[in-house]
Amino acid sequence: DVKVTQSSRYLVKRTGEKVFLECVQDMDHENMFWYRQDPGLGLRLIYFSYDVKMKEKGDIPEGYSVSREKKERFSLILESASTNQTSMYLCASRGQGSYGYTFGSGTRLTVV
Amino acid sequence: EDQVTQSPEALRLQEGESSSLNCSYTVSGLRGLFWYRQDPGKGPEFLFTLYSAGEEKEKERLKATLTKKESFLHITAPKPEDSATYLCAVQALRNAGNMLTFGGGTRLMVKP
Repeated sequence: DVKVTQSSRYLVKRTGEKVFLECVQDMDHENMFWYRQDPGLGLRLIYFSYDVKMKEKGDIPEGYSVSREKKERFSLILESASTNQTSMYLCASRGQGSYGYTFGSGTRLTVV
Repeated sequence: EDQVTQSPEALRLQEGESSSLNCSYTVSGLRGLFWYRQDPGKGPEFLFTLYSAGEEKEKERLKATLTKKESFLHITAPKPEDSATYLCAVQALRNAGNMLTFGGGTRLMVKP
């Protein structure tokens, strides 16, 4: 089974801090995605990557950046955390030739 | 723009009371429609992929169907362990990044 592992289940950070959310997948998938999930708003795509060092903006990239230096790892960076970035963050991966995503367990980030 | 609307937002059932969840979608060329189950505090878990109108798939008490405008997730004789949020998502043919567009979800609560 594909495993997508997010490094932290819960994080509490202060406003203005730089925050790194890490995601690792173990099935050599080309495509990786970062979503945030908020009540009433559903899942919204922040960034995705279809290859190492490649990245594309999703629907809500403002305030975020990403890094993909290795195929298995996709990092989401909050350059200066703000309270409106308090949310559940979900990482997903997808292989070429398949259509569905495999999700990680999520990181619940609280910015105080 | 691809759109996915799920109804109802929340559904309360007694154990054994069968019902259906609706997913209406607008997409210019459907590559696939996906159903996921999400338990509180966890990432979505893949259930089904449907590719063309008329297709049906089953798994235990769940059956997913697809028409040209909507999909239904039928739950037969549900049990309390079926309580979760059910997410629907679509993938468009023209979508080079193969991203999924998600609906807002239906929160299902099954009481014993």
